[in-house]
Amino acid sequence: DIQMTQSPSSLSASVGDRVTITCQASQDISNYLNWYQQKPGKAPKLLIYDASNLETGVPSRFSGSGSGTDFTFTISSLQPEDIATYYCQQYDNLQYTFGQGTKLEIK
Amino acid sequence: QVQLQESGPGLVKPSETLSLTCAVSGYSISSGYYWGWIRQPPGKGLEWIGSIYHSGSTYYNPSLKSRVTISVDTSKNQFSLKLSSVTAADTAVYYCARERWLQPPAGGAFDIWGQGTMVTVSS
Repeated sequence: DIQMTQSPSSLSASVGDRVTITCQASQDISNYLNWYQQKPGKAPKLLIYDASNLETGVPSRFSGSGSGTDFTFTISSLQPEDIATYYCQQYDNLQYTFGQGTKLEIK
Repeated sequence: QVQLQESGPGLVKPSETLSLTCAVSGYSISSGYYWGWIRQPPGKGLEWIGSIYHSGSTYYNPSLKSRVTISVDTSKNQFSLKLSSVTAADTAVYYCARERWLQPPAGGAFDIWGQGTMVTVSS
């Protein structure tokens, strides 16, 4: 099984800050990596697919990068509505695993 | 637009079988895409359970494979999940989702989700 290690597990930042979350795969997954946002009591929402592609309708302040085993998710300027938990998800060989999540709070 | 809606019992007894259905509206399952189930225990992260194509082709999480059956009913435009021999550890919010294949044969992403349904395993 491919394990995904996401960090940090929680993060406090101010409105306007640049926020970065990392996700590390236990083996090379090329760019088979997606990012989701989950607000309390809601279903996850796909933000980034294939490591760096922005899903249609998602604000451009969200971005992703990386390949192989190391991936980064960035919010360029944190907005109040970005308060949520963020998850990475790998897909390889028709087996999917999620990172443990990063809970983002406003400072 | 495409919408998914989970339904099924909110309470299941230990050792019994959990059964959920996901009704799809705004899109015909027979037209394509894969369809998946994901769960989230209270206060915890997401766990993929398995996925199915309209042809009936399936793939499952190895950790749950021995207890999981996912099926599709194209005439009703819905797909279903059965999880047998449940324990308290299976208590979770269960989501159904549309799976968009990105780079076959590796797999894809879940781009449209249902609202989720809470299932508690308790006697």
